[in-house]
Amino acid sequence: DVKVTQSSRYLVKRTGEKVFLECVQDMDHENMFWYRQDPGLGLRLIYFSYDVKMKEKGDIPEGYSVSREKKERFSLILESASTNQTSMYLCASSFDKNTEAFFGQGTRLTVV
Amino acid sequence: DQQVKQNSPSLSVQEGRISILNCDYTNSMFDYFLWYKKYPAEGPTFLISISSIKDKNEDGRFTVFLNKSAKHLSLHIVPSQPGDSAVYFCAAREGGGADGLTFGKGTHLIIQP
Repeated sequence: DVKVTQSSRYLVKRTGEKVFLECVQDMDHENMFWYRQDPGLGLRLIYFSYDVKMKEKGDIPEGYSVSREKKERFSLILESASTNQTSMYLCASSFDKNTEAFFGQGTRLTVV
Repeated sequence: DQQVKQNSPSLSVQEGRISILNCDYTNSMFDYFLWYKKYPAEGPTFLISISSIKDKNEDGRFTVFLNKSAKHLSLHIVPSQPGDSAVYFCAAREGGGADGLTFGKGTHLIIQP
């Protein structure tokens, strides 16, 4: 069974903190993605990776960075958390560009 | 500029009837389209997809129709059931690259008993 696991369901962090969101997939997928979901805005792509140590900016990369040291793990890093980064963060993976992406359960991050 | 548009933020349908969710796109490079279903506080779940070489794909109660000339696709759910109440996202991908999916803003489907 397909599995994408995000390390936390809920997180509360303070403004200025460095925040790590972890994602692991067990499907040997090449591609991994980070999205954020906000009311009225749908899902927006932050970063994606199509191979180990490779990363590409998505539509809204500002304020974020990513790390992919191993194929199964893709981390999203908020260098200095701000209140406008309060959101639902969703990790996804896909085998290739012509197959569906599978999503994790999401991390609800609140920055206070 | 929004490349995938779901113009109905919400839709209410009676149980047992057909639900039709619509999606329009502007990018002619999109060649693969997907529908996802999302419950609150959960990640999106893949429902059904369609390649641009087809105009229809069916999976049980779910059928997706693609009209390339109109840059329009729709998801039909027949018959609608209470468990179908969720937010539905239309998504698209460009051919030729490993880019992530581009999503619409979603339509909240409410199935009335």
